[in-house]
Amino acid sequence: DAGITQSPRHKVTETGTPVTLRCHQTENHRYMYWYRQDPGHGLRLIHYSYGVKDTDKGEVSDGYSVSRSKTEDFLLTLESATSSQTSVYFCAISDGTGTLGAKNIQYFGAGTRLSVL
Amino acid sequence: QQQVKQSPQSLIVQKGGISIINCAYENTAFDYFPWYQQFPGKGPALLIAIRPDVSEKKEGRFTISFNKSAKQFSLHIMDSQPGDSATYFCAASLISSGSARQLTFGSGTQLTVLP
Repeated sequence: DAGITQSPRHKVTETGTPVTLRCHQTENHRYMYWYRQDPGHGLRLIHYSYGVKDTDKGEVSDGYSVSRSKTEDFLLTLESATSSQTSVYFCAISDGTGTLGAKNIQYFGAGTRLSVL
Repeated sequence: QQQVKQSPQSLIVQKGGISIINCAYENTAFDYFPWYQQFPGKGPALLIAIRPDVSEKKEGRFTISFNKSAKQFSLHIMDSQPGDSATYFCAASLISSGSARQLTFGSGTQLTVLP
């Protein structure tokens, strides 16, 4: 999975508790992304980062926050988890250099399955 | 708002047949159109991609056809094999903050190729 480690791989938590998911990369890629995958919706972008401490919102950012204090780590936090946040979460990375084709390649991690009860 | 619509939701074909998955987009700011393949328990992986100034791109058994005026594109899998059984996502890309590439995905097509 292109030097991407997501942790934990599985998590069960209760409504109202905070949850942090971690994405760690060894590729030194500039761009990092968090997506959620739900049946019938494909993958939807939550937040992304274009450098250390540089982040922006995606399509479904409500209820989520992110932080990137080092190039290799991108954290996704659910401040107070809700049942609607039960999903599979994927981290992706991108080098962002080269041709238009090369810039558009995103490499995905293996995912974190989160259940909020 | 779903900006990329994908059909069908599921597809069953016989080995050796042709699999066709269709997508349509709305936002003319999209400037790159990749297809991703995902196997159970794995993250998606880039399969093939096309620029909007190209009408067709072929890589082995996989072909993308692109119709810019209709804002539609499709994936054709020739001589489909059981190993092609996976979920396929079309996507559309545009440039965002910090020159990041923001992907908008279709809802996915679960392909099953029968032996």
